[in-house]
Order: sequence, then structure tokens, then C-alpha cells
Amino acid sequence: TQLLEQSPQFLSIQEGENLTVYCNSSSVFSSLQWYRQEPGEGPVLLVTVVTGGEVKKLKRLTFQFGDARKDSSLHITAAQPGDTGLYLCAGDSSNYGGSQGNLIFGKGTKLSVKP
Amino acid sequence: EPEVTQTPSHQVTQMGQEVILRCVPISNHLYFYWYRQILGQKVEFLVSFYNNEISEKSEIFDDQFSVERPDGSNFTLKIRSTKLEDSAMYFCASSLGGVWDEQYFGPGTRLTVT
Repeated sequence: TQLLEQSPQFLSIQEGENLTVYCNSSSVFSSLQWYRQEPGEGPVLLVTVVTGGEVKKLKRLTFQFGDARKDSSLHITAAQPGDTGLYLCAGDSSNYGGSQGNLIFGKGTKLSVKP
Repeated sequence: EPEVTQTPSHQVTQMGQEVILRCVPISNHLYFYWYRQILGQKVEFLVSFYNNEISEKSEIFDDQFSVERPDGSNFTLKIRSTKLEDSAMYFCASSLGGVWDEQYFGPGTRLTVT
């Protein structure tokens, strides 16, 4: 059974601080997606990483896919209150990528950024 | 920007009743999915659908569940006889297809079974 473990589960920081959220598995994923979810809403896609060692930047957010494609991290620089939310990683379970695979989600990291 | 829409946003039903949750995927997308999220738990895959048939389904998706694409725009999830444990947020997602594809989620339907 493929599992994705996210850590930390909860994170409360002050505005301006940096943080890193981790997503780990013992399984290899063909791609990994990061989502942000607000209470009572659907996950909103932030980024997809597909190549081992890949790094993608989205403004103050940096996403990295591990070389072995088993883990990923999300780093936020100079966090702002607007970054508050639930961050989810999700791995594509198919062997060859694409929509043929369902997504396996982690439990998420609940981030709170205080002004 | 195109988005996945879902109706209703909240559905309350009594145990044993049938419910139909509706989704309108992004118009040029070819793959459709249903996921659910029980309160406080992680998002779980239910079923994927492509070319008018189920591609993959999880253990959760038993005989009580069915999916249909009745026309060119709607994608529905039917629960035949709801149970208390079916109470959850149900999310529809769609994707364009191809390698390294990305799934886009709707806002969800909150199903409450009493």
C-alpha cells in the first residue's frame, strides 16, 4: 500500500519566518502534486513535480522532488498571514504517470502564520 | 479561468436514501474522478472514469456507488442506499490527460447522512 507521510502535522509561525514542510514515502511516485485547501473547500493545485531532483519556484514557495521520487518538500520564504492554510501533497500512483493513476494524498500540514 | 463545479454544496439525507452528487468538469478534460474526505481525515480516491467507463476504483467504491456521464457535460456519483459512514465531503476532479497530467478539484459537496 502506497502511503504519503507529511510532517509536521501542525505549524504555527510568525510573519516573516521561513518554513519547510515534508512529504515522505517508501514508494516511488511518477509525479507529485502539492495542493492548498481552505476549510470547507476543494484542494487547489499549486504545482506538479515530475523529475527526480526537480526544483520549482512559485514566488516565495519552493518545491523539490527527491532524487528517488519518494519524497518532496515545500519551503516558504518570509511567510505571510495569507499563506495560512492546509497544504497537501499527493502522489500519482500509476507507474507511468498521467491521468490513469489516482492520487494518494497525505494528511496535510496545517500552517498558521501570525501577524 | 475554467473550473470544476459541483452541486449541491450541501446535501442532507436520511440513512437508506439514494443521493446523486453532480459535477461539471472542465470542458475539454477527458478524465474524471471522485474523491471523498471524511471530516478530519485525508482525501481518499473513489473512482476514475474515462471514455465512458470506469478506469479504476478503490475498495471504498462498492456496489452502493455508481458513476455516470449522462451527457456531454455532467458527471454524477450515485450512492444507492446511504449509510451514516458515507457522511463526508465529496470532491469531483478532472484532468486533460496525457503524461504528468494534473487534476483540478471542484469545491465539493458536503453530504450529511442522518
